[in-house]
Amino acid sequence: GIQVEQSPPDLILQEGANSTLRCNFSDSVNNLQWFHQNPWGQLINLFYIPSGTKQNGRLSATTVATERYSLLYISSSQTTDSGVYFCAVERGTNAGKSTFGDGTTLTVKP
Amino acid sequence: DVKVTQSSRYLVKRTGEKVFLECVQDMDHENMFWYRQDPGLGLRLIYFSYDVKMKEKGDIPEGYSVSREKKERFSLILESASTNQTSMYLCASKLAGGRETQYFGPGTRLLVL
Repeated sequence: GIQVEQSPPDLILQEGANSTLRCNFSDSVNNLQWFHQNPWGQLINLFYIPSGTKQNGRLSATTVATERYSLLYISSSQTTDSGVYFCAVERGTNAGKSTFGDGTTLTVKP
Repeated sequence: DVKVTQSSRYLVKRTGEKVFLECVQDMDHENMFWYRQDPGLGLRLIYFSYDVKMKEKGDIPEGYSVSREKKERFSLILESASTNQTSMYLCASKLAGGRETQYFGPGTRLLVL
């Protein structure tokens, strides 16, 4: 099956710093999502981004489908950005079965 | 907004008990999923359903079964709970089709003693 690798596995930042999280995948995909898992365990949708670039406030994401990677940018990080960031990809249609990366654990210190 | 709810946030059960985890979504989504999340292992798909009464095994179906009698409800059943099923269980739903967003419930932390 498809392999999804996220890097770095752990990241510690001071508040206000910028960061880039990476997601590499081993085959072509037709769906890619970025999620943030908060300290209570809830996964929150950040971006649906199978290709191209999107921005939402301090967060933006870029997927280069032909080169099989996606990047999540966090600017001016805040302590509330702490948590685990997951990339999930999907191949095929209808059934919608996703493969998740292992996540990047982000800690933002005040 | 899409809302996916799970019947319990925390659950403690004894080995051998039958356990039901319920998931309900309110957006008429065709596809529903059950995952478990364990430290160091990420999210792993247990079962998914793409229609009422339809189900398919995911990556780790052993020890679990599912039921989908109504479109909005997807139940995960542990026939005889074991300690290695202590985990965080996450339900998700999405519309059918290859380009749709997946939405997650808040999760159920299950402890099997």
